[in-house]
Amino acid sequence: QKEVEQNSGPLSVPEGAIASLNCTYSDRGSQSFFWYRQYSGKSPELIMSIYSNGDKEDGRFTAQLNKASQYVSLLIRDSQPSDSATYLCAGSSGGSYIPTFGRGTSLIVHP
Amino acid sequence: SAVISQKPSRDICQRGTSLTIQCQVDSQVTMMFWYRQQPGQSLTLIATANQGSEATYESGFVIDKFPISRPNLTFSTLTVSNMSPEDSSIYLCSALAGDYNEQFFGPGTRLTVL
Repeated sequence: QKEVEQNSGPLSVPEGAIASLNCTYSDRGSQSFFWYRQYSGKSPELIMSIYSNGDKEDGRFTAQLNKASQYVSLLIRDSQPSDSATYLCAGSSGGSYIPTFGRGTSLIVHP
Repeated sequence: SAVISQKPSRDICQRGTSLTIQCQVDSQVTMMFWYRQQPGQSLTLIATANQGSEATYESGFVIDKFPISRPNLTFSTLTVSNMSPEDSSIYLCSALAGDYNEQFFGPGTRLTVL
């Protein structure tokens, strides 16, 4: 059974700090990984996709993928209170385009 | 990317009735999905809406309870039938789009069953 594991948190960081969100997955066939941000009462919003080992940067966000260790992480630099949300990690394999979602990590950025 | 709209955004329904949720995508997409999300919980996939054929349901979900239509590549409906309070949830439509088959979500339909 494909599983994506995340620490539910909450992860609390001060404003301006780096928030580090981690995710592990069980399916070695997973090739594509996604990070979604979900504000309370809203639907998930795609913020990062990563397909190759290494780092991918987009503004204040950096996604990291290590397929050998089967983990994905998301770093948020200069965290802002507006980053406070639940972050969902998802992975999909080449054989199925349906992602498997983790349960999400709640991030709280306090002023 | 894809822009997805859903109607209604919320509804309050009586036990035993049915509600149909509509999902519209701004571009043609090959795959559309329906999810359910309880407050504070993660996403649960209900089914994949297939264009021109019957939907593919996940374990625990059946066509009689959640009939789905997909008449074309931009539109789908989900009906929640014979509702009970346990069906109270947020129902989300999503679609795969883009060169890397990224999944985009609609704004959701908040359903309350009394």
